[in-house]
Amino acid sequence: EVQLVQSGAEVKKPGESLKISCKGSGYTFTNYWVGWVRQMPGKGLEWMGIIYPRDSDTRYSPSFQGQVTISADESVNTAYLQWNSLKASDTAMYYCVRHQSAITYRYFDYWGQGTLVTVSS
Amino acid sequence: DIQMTQSPSSVSASVGDRVTITCRASQGISNWLAWYQQKPGKAPKLLIYDVSSLQSGVPSRFSGSGSGTDFTLTISSLQPEDFATYYCQQTSNFPLYTFGQGTKLEIK
Repeated sequence: EVQLVQSGAEVKKPGESLKISCKGSGYTFTNYWVGWVRQMPGKGLEWMGIIYPRDSDTRYSPSFQGQVTISADESVNTAYLQWNSLKASDTAMYYCVRHQSAITYRYFDYWGQGTLVTVSS
Repeated sequence: DIQMTQSPSSVSASVGDRVTITCRASQGISNWLAWYQQKPGKAPKLLIYDVSSLQSGVPSRFSGSGSGTDFTLTISSLQPEDFATYYCQQTSNFPLYTFGQGTKLEIK
C-alpha cells in the first residue's frame, strides 16, 4: 500500500527555523517526484515545489522560490520542506504529494496526511 | 502563470441532484486538467485526471469534460459523501502548476 506519512504538528516563533518531513512507503521512492502543497487556514491549495529524489532535481513555484527549501534523502525514503526564518504568514497546513512523471501522468495521486505549522509569538 | 477560475465558489444541492462545476484556464492547457475532492480536516483526493479519466476507485457518478480552456466536473446523482470542496488543477507546463480557488458543495 502506497503511503506518505508526514511529521507531526509544529508550533514555532517568528524567526525560528523548521524542517518537516514526508516518508514514502509501498513504492519505489526514487521513481516518483515528491511535491509540497500549502493550504492556509480556510483557504485553497497552493503549489509550492517538487523534487525528484533519485537525482535531487528540484523545482519551485515562483511564489515560493527563495522562501523554502525542498530536499530529499533517498536512503530513508523521505522528502523535506524547510524554512530558515519563519513568519506568521507561514501558518498553514502543508501536504506532501506523489507525482508520477514530468511527461505523462502529471498529477498528485497520493497525499500525505498533512503537517500543521503554527507560527506565533 | 496560468490562472484557473472555478465557478461557482459555492453551490447548494440535495442528495440525488446533478451538479456541474466549471473551471476556466487563462490560456489553453490541452488535456492537462485534474479535479480533486477535499473533505473537512482531510487531505485532498484525486478524482479525475487528463480532463476525463477517472482515478482508480472513484465512483462512476463523477465525470469530467472539456478542452482547451473550459472544463467541467459533473456529479450525476449526489450522494451524502460527495459534500466537500472541489478543486481543479492545471499541469500544462511542468512544474508551474496552479489550482482553482475551490468550489464548496453544500447540502441544501
